[in-house]
Amino acid sequence: GIQVEQSPPDLILQEGANSTLRCNFSDSVNNLQWFHQNPWGQLINLFYIPSGTKQNGRLSATTVATERYSLLYISSSQTTDSGVYFCAVDTGNTPLVFGKGTRLSVIA
Amino acid sequence: DTGVSQNPRHKITKRGQNVTFRCDPISEHNRLYWYRQTLGQGPEFLTYFQNEAQLEKSRLLSDRFSAERPKGSFSTLEIQRTEQGDSAMYLCASSRGRNRYNEQFFGPGTRLTVL
Repeated sequence: GIQVEQSPPDLILQEGANSTLRCNFSDSVNNLQWFHQNPWGQLINLFYIPSGTKQNGRLSATTVATERYSLLYISSSQTTDSGVYFCAVDTGNTPLVFGKGTRLSVIA
Repeated sequence: DTGVSQNPRHKITKRGQNVTFRCDPISEHNRLYWYRQTLGQGPEFLTYFQNEAQLEKSRLLSDRFSAERPKGSFSTLEIQRTEQGDSAMYLCASSRGRNRYNEQFFGPGTRLTVL
């Protein structure tokens, strides 16, 4: 099956710093989603981005489908951005396959 | 609120007992998914439904697990004769499942602890 690798596994930032999270996948995908999992376990949808670039406030994402990777940018990080960020893909109306996530800690 | 809901949010049980979880998807979403997440890992697929039909089951879904979606709306996941290894967060998601657009939205999860 498709493999999804996320990097880095852990990231510690000072409040106000910028960061880039990466997601590599091993096959063509039909769907790619980025999620933020809060401390209570809720998965919050950030982006649905099988290709192209999207922006939402301080967050933006880019997926280069032909090169099989996606990037999530967080600018001017805040302590509330802390949590685990997951990338998940499907290959065509199939269940999502998740990476292991990037654990982000933003310190004041 | 029209998000995905799950009940209960937490369940503590003794090994060998049966447990049942419920998921109510976003209305008009015809696809419903169950995932399991253990500590430090991403969610892993268990099974999914299109309307009332169960279309796919993961090999993670042992014979002790059964899921239903009798009227194509809410779904239940039952675990029989629970084991300590079943302790995990059980997540439900739903999607419209139309054409190639299949963004999934997740519920808050049910955290199961088997003593």
